Amino acid sequence: EAGVTQFPSHSVIEKGQTVTLRCDPISGHDNLYWYRRVMGKEIKFLLHFVKESKQDESGMPNNRFLAERTGGTYSTLKVQPAELEDSGVYFCASSPRQGGEKLFFGSGTQLSVL
Amino acid sequence: SQKIEQNSEALNIQEGKTATLTCNYTNYSPAYLQWYRQDPGRGPVFLLLIRENEKEKRKERLKVTFDTTLKQSLFHITASQPADSATYLCALESNNRKLIWGLGTSLAVNP
Repeated sequence: EAGVTQFPSHSVIEKGQTVTLRCDPISGHDNLYWYRRVMGKEIKFLLHFVKESKQDESGMPNNRFLAERTGGTYSTLKVQPAELEDSGVYFCASSPRQGGEKLFFGSGTQLSVL
Repeated sequence: SQKIEQNSEALNIQEGKTATLTCNYTNYSPAYLQWYRQDPGRGPVFLLLIRENEKEKRKERLKVTFDTTLKQSLFHITASQPADSATYLCALESNNRKLIWGLGTSLAVNP
Protein backbone atom coordinates (compact mmCIF):
# COMPACT_ATOMS: atom_id res chain seq x y z
CA GLU A 1 0.00 0.00 0.00
CA ALA A 2 1.42 3.39 -0.98
CA GLY A 3 1.83 5.89 1.81
CA VAL A 4 1.11 9.59 1.81
CA THR A 5 3.17 11.29 -0.87
CA GLN A 6 4.05 14.94 -1.08
CA PHE A 7 5.52 16.93 -3.92
CA PRO A 8 7.91 18.65 -4.18
CA SER A 9 10.19 17.54 -1.38
CA HIS A 10 11.96 20.89 -1.48
CA SER A 11 11.07 24.27 -2.91
CA VAL A 12 13.13 27.43 -2.90
CA ILE A 13 11.34 30.57 -4.07
CA GLU A 14 11.71 34.30 -3.77
CA LYS A 15 9.46 36.49 -1.71
CA GLY A 16 6.40 37.45 -3.69
CA GLN A 17 6.36 34.32 -5.83
CA THR A 18 3.71 31.63 -5.80
CA VAL A 19 4.23 28.03 -4.74
CA THR A 20 1.84 25.10 -4.88
CA LEU A 21 2.37 22.03 -2.72
CA ARG A 22 0.67 18.76 -3.48
CA CYS A 23 -0.38 15.88 -1.27
CA ASP A 24 -1.64 12.47 -2.30
CA PRO A 25 -3.19 10.74 0.72
CA ILE A 26 -3.51 7.02 1.20
CA SER A 27 -6.25 5.75 -1.09
CA GLY A 28 -9.60 5.59 0.69
CA HIS A 29 -8.64 8.01 3.46
CA ASP A 30 -11.41 10.60 3.67
CA ASN A 31 -9.55 12.77 6.18
CA LEU A 32 -6.66 14.88 4.98
CA TYR A 33 -4.71 17.31 7.14
CA TRP A 34 -2.10 19.97 6.50
CA TYR A 35 0.40 20.83 9.22
CA ARG A 36 3.43 23.11 9.23
CA ARG A 37 6.62 23.20 11.23
CA VAL A 38 8.58 26.42 11.34
CA MET A 39 12.21 26.02 12.42
CA GLY A 40 12.52 25.92 16.18
CA LYS A 41 8.77 25.72 16.72
CA GLU A 42 6.32 22.90 17.20
CA ILE A 43 4.22 21.39 14.43
CA LYS A 44 1.09 23.48 13.95
CA PHE A 45 -2.27 22.50 12.46
CA LEU A 46 -3.32 24.32 9.30
CA LEU A 47 -6.51 22.66 8.11
CA HIS A 48 -8.55 19.49 7.83
CA PHE A 49 -10.52 18.15 4.87
CA VAL A 50 -13.18 15.48 5.03
CA LYS A 51 -13.42 14.29 1.46
CA GLU A 52 -13.58 17.52 -0.55
CA SER A 53 -15.01 19.70 2.25
CA LYS A 54 -13.01 21.87 4.63
CA GLN A 55 -13.89 20.63 8.10
CA ASP A 56 -11.61 23.03 9.96
CA GLU A 57 -9.39 25.72 8.51
CA SER A 58 -8.79 27.59 11.75
CA GLY A 59 -5.01 27.14 11.50
CA MET A 60 -4.56 28.83 8.13
CA PRO A 61 -2.27 31.83 8.78
CA ASN A 62 -3.96 34.29 6.41
CA ASN A 63 -5.63 34.62 3.04
CA ARG A 64 -2.38 34.12 1.18
CA PHE A 65 -2.88 30.42 1.80
CA LEU A 66 -5.41 28.48 -0.26
CA ALA A 67 -6.05 24.76 0.10
CA GLU A 68 -8.16 22.65 -2.20
CA ARG A 69 -9.15 19.03 -2.45
CA THR A 70 -11.20 18.74 -5.60
CA GLY A 71 -12.86 15.36 -5.95
CA GLY A 72 -11.82 14.37 -2.48
CA THR A 73 -8.57 12.77 -3.59
CA TYR A 74 -5.31 14.73 -3.70
CA SER A 75 -4.95 18.16 -2.14
CA THR A 76 -3.00 21.27 -3.04
CA LEU A 77 -1.84 24.08 -0.80
CA LYS A 78 -1.01 27.30 -2.60
CA VAL A 79 0.85 30.20 -1.08
CA GLN A 80 0.48 33.44 -3.01
CA PRO A 81 2.38 35.68 -2.61
CA ALA A 82 4.94 33.94 -0.44
CA GLU A 83 6.55 35.82 2.44
CA LEU A 84 9.74 35.07 4.36
CA GLU A 85 7.81 33.83 7.40
CA ASP A 86 6.15 31.12 5.29
CA SER A 87 9.39 29.13 5.28
CA GLY A 88 9.15 25.80 7.02
CA VAL A 89 8.24 22.18 6.47
CA TYR A 90 4.70 21.53 5.33
CA PHE A 91 3.36 18.11 6.25
CA CYS A 92 0.32 16.38 4.90
CA ALA A 93 -1.36 13.55 6.79
CA SER A 94 -4.36 11.33 6.20
CA SER A 95 -6.57 8.97 8.17
CA PRO A 96 -9.59 6.84 7.36
CA ARG A 97 -11.67 8.16 10.26
CA GLN A 98 -11.77 11.07 12.70
CA GLY A 99 -11.28 11.12 16.40
CA GLY A 100 -8.76 9.00 18.22
CA GLU A 101 -7.19 7.88 14.99
CA LYS A 102 -3.55 7.70 14.08
CA LEU A 103 -2.39 9.92 11.29
CA PHE A 104 -0.23 8.77 8.40
CA PHE A 105 2.21 11.50 7.43
CA GLY A 106 4.04 12.26 4.25
CA SER A 107 7.72 13.21 4.31
CA GLY A 108 6.88 16.88 3.99
CA THR A 109 7.79 19.73 1.67
CA GLN A 110 10.65 21.93 2.83
CA LEU A 111 9.74 25.44 1.68
CA SER A 112 12.37 28.16 1.73
CA VAL A 113 11.31 31.71 0.88
CA LEU A 114 14.28 33.98 0.20
CA SER B 1 -2.66 29.57 27.21
CA GLN B 2 -2.51 25.92 26.18
CA LYS B 3 0.96 24.50 26.34
CA ILE B 4 2.71 21.17 25.85
CA GLU B 5 6.20 20.62 27.21
CA GLN B 6 8.57 17.79 26.45
CA ASN B 7 12.09 17.20 27.76
CA SER B 8 13.90 20.04 26.04
CA GLU B 9 17.33 18.50 26.32
CA ALA B 10 18.42 15.55 24.25
CA LEU B 11 18.38 12.23 26.05
CA ASN B 12 21.44 10.01 25.75
CA ILE B 13 21.25 6.48 27.08
CA GLN B 14 23.15 3.24 26.79
CA GLU B 15 21.86 0.40 24.66
CA GLY B 16 19.74 -2.01 26.67
CA LYS B 17 18.56 0.61 29.16
CA THR B 18 15.06 2.03 29.44
CA ALA B 19 14.41 5.46 27.94
CA THR B 20 11.74 7.57 29.62
CA LEU B 21 10.38 10.65 27.89
CA THR B 22 8.01 13.15 29.47
CA CYS B 23 5.10 15.14 28.07
CA ASN B 24 3.43 17.71 30.32
CA TYR B 25 0.50 19.89 29.33
CA THR B 26 -1.40 22.81 30.80
CA ASN B 27 -4.79 24.41 30.21
CA TYR B 28 -5.92 21.50 28.15
CA SER B 29 -8.29 18.55 28.50
CA PRO B 30 -7.32 16.10 25.79
CA ALA B 31 -9.56 13.27 24.71
CA TYR B 32 -6.57 11.39 23.36
CA LEU B 33 -2.80 11.60 23.53
CA GLN B 34 -0.54 10.24 20.82
CA TRP B 35 3.18 9.59 20.52
CA TYR B 36 5.02 9.76 17.23
CA ARG B 37 8.57 9.13 16.15
CA GLN B 38 10.31 11.38 13.64
CA ASP B 39 13.56 10.72 11.81
CA PRO B 40 15.51 13.47 10.00
CA GLY B 41 13.92 14.44 6.69
CA ARG B 42 10.85 12.29 7.31
CA GLY B 43 7.34 12.88 8.57
CA PRO B 44 6.15 11.75 12.00
CA VAL B 45 5.35 8.06 12.34
CA PHE B 46 2.60 6.99 14.73
CA LEU B 47 3.60 4.83 17.70
CA LEU B 48 0.88 4.72 20.33
CA LEU B 49 -2.43 6.36 21.24
CA ILE B 50 -3.93 6.47 24.72
CA ARG B 51 -7.40 7.66 25.68
CA GLU B 52 -8.26 9.94 28.59
CA ASN B 53 -9.87 7.09 30.51
CA GLU B 54 -6.84 4.79 30.09
CA LYS B 55 -3.91 4.77 32.48
CA GLU B 56 -1.43 2.73 30.48
CA LYS B 57 -0.89 1.28 27.01
CA ARG B 58 1.76 -1.13 25.80
CA LYS B 59 3.05 -2.22 22.42
CA GLU B 60 6.06 -4.50 22.24
CA ARG B 61 8.93 -2.56 23.92
CA LEU B 62 6.90 0.63 24.20
CA LYS B 63 4.77 1.75 27.12
CA VAL B 64 2.76 4.94 27.54
CA THR B 65 1.14 6.20 30.72
CA PHE B 66 -1.43 8.98 30.96
CA ASP B 67 -2.19 10.84 34.19
CA THR B 68 -4.94 13.40 33.62
CA THR B 69 -4.64 14.63 37.21
CA LEU B 70 -0.94 15.42 36.85
CA LYS B 71 -1.53 16.39 33.20
CA GLN B 72 1.38 14.22 32.19
CA SER B 73 2.24 11.35 29.90
CA LEU B 74 5.35 9.22 30.16
CA PHE B 75 6.72 7.27 27.20
CA HIS B 76 9.04 4.35 27.91
CA ILE B 77 11.22 2.34 25.55
CA THR B 78 12.58 -0.74 27.25
CA ALA B 79 15.67 -2.65 26.11
CA SER B 80 16.58 0.33 23.94
CA GLN B 81 18.52 -0.15 20.71
CA PRO B 82 20.57 2.26 18.58
CA ALA B 83 17.77 2.03 15.98
CA ASP B 84 15.47 3.74 18.52
CA SER B 85 17.49 6.94 18.13
CA ALA B 86 15.10 9.58 16.80
CA THR B 87 12.97 12.52 17.90
CA TYR B 88 9.82 11.57 19.80
CA LEU B 89 6.78 13.83 19.62
CA CYS B 90 3.81 14.04 21.94
CA ALA B 91 0.50 15.28 20.50
CA LEU B 92 -2.82 15.94 22.19
CA GLU B 93 -6.19 15.71 20.51
CA SER B 94 -9.17 17.56 21.81
CA ASN B 95 -12.77 17.09 20.75
CA ASN B 96 -12.23 19.33 17.72
CA ARG B 97 -10.00 16.65 16.20
CA LYS B 98 -6.86 18.66 15.52
CA LEU B 99 -3.57 17.67 17.11
CA ILE B 100 -1.58 20.03 19.32
CA TRP B 101 2.12 19.11 19.33
CA GLY B 102 5.06 19.35 21.66
CA LEU B 103 8.51 20.32 20.37
CA GLY B 104 9.77 16.77 20.71
CA THR B 105 12.62 15.12 22.55
CA SER B 106 15.71 13.86 20.78
CA LEU B 107 16.80 10.41 21.92
CA ALA B 108 20.22 8.93 21.22
CA VAL B 109 20.87 5.30 22.13
CA ASN B 110 24.58 4.56 22.26
CA PRO B 111 25.90 1.08 21.43
